[in-house]
Amino acid sequence: AQSVSQHNHHVILSEAASLELGCNYSYGGTVNLFWYVQYPGQHLQLLLKYFSGDPLVKGIKGFEAEFIKSKFSFNLRKPSVQWSDTAEYFCAVSTSGGYQKVTFGTGTKLQVIP
Amino acid sequence: NAGVTQTPKFQVLKTGQSMTLQCAQDMNHEYMSWYRQDPGMGLRLIHYSVGAGITDQGEVPNGYNVSRSTTEDFPLRLLSAAPSQTSVYFCASSPLVGAGYEQYFGPGTRLTVT
Repeated sequence: AQSVSQHNHHVILSEAASLELGCNYSYGGTVNLFWYVQYPGQHLQLLLKYFSGDPLVKGIKGFEAEFIKSKFSFNLRKPSVQWSDTAEYFCAVSTSGGYQKVTFGTGTKLQVIP
Repeated sequence: NAGVTQTPKFQVLKTGQSMTLQCAQDMNHEYMSWYRQDPGMGLRLIHYSVGAGITDQGEVPNGYNVSRSTTEDFPLRLLSAAPSQTSVYFCASSPLVGAGYEQYFGPGTRLTVT
């Protein structure tokens, strides 16, 4: 079975700082990778996803993530964070061919200080 | 197009009571799932369904039942509530093919069991 690790549980940044949130997964086969975001008081929504092709994926609001197969990683990045990026970020993985047993990481709470 | 809706938004139960959390989607998605979100544990899959009449267990199914009589609805039943079931519950749906398995989440139900 697949698993996902998010090593940063709580990150505090000042506005305009750069962001990188780590995500590592364990699974030997082909995977689909996602980052979801949950703004305070809201439900989860998709930030970006990787299925195949270019390993550098661009999502909404200036976020991007890079799939590095050799490192089993899918780190999320943003060059300059804003206060409105304060949220909890979840990495998730599903395996190709499976019936949607999407596994989520434990989440990283990002707090951006104005 | 309402997306994924959940009722109620908040619920307080006493230990031993039963209740049903409602989930509906109007996107004609084949796949629907229930997650619980607990601090520091991310989202854990409770049950899922790949179509009307087909359900299966996820990671933490004990104490919960589901059924899927229509494409639109996927209720989650707590048979005898326990304090360990205090959590935030999210329902999600997605197509099985075509949209890259992106899941659409409902707004959540915050359940407290005393």
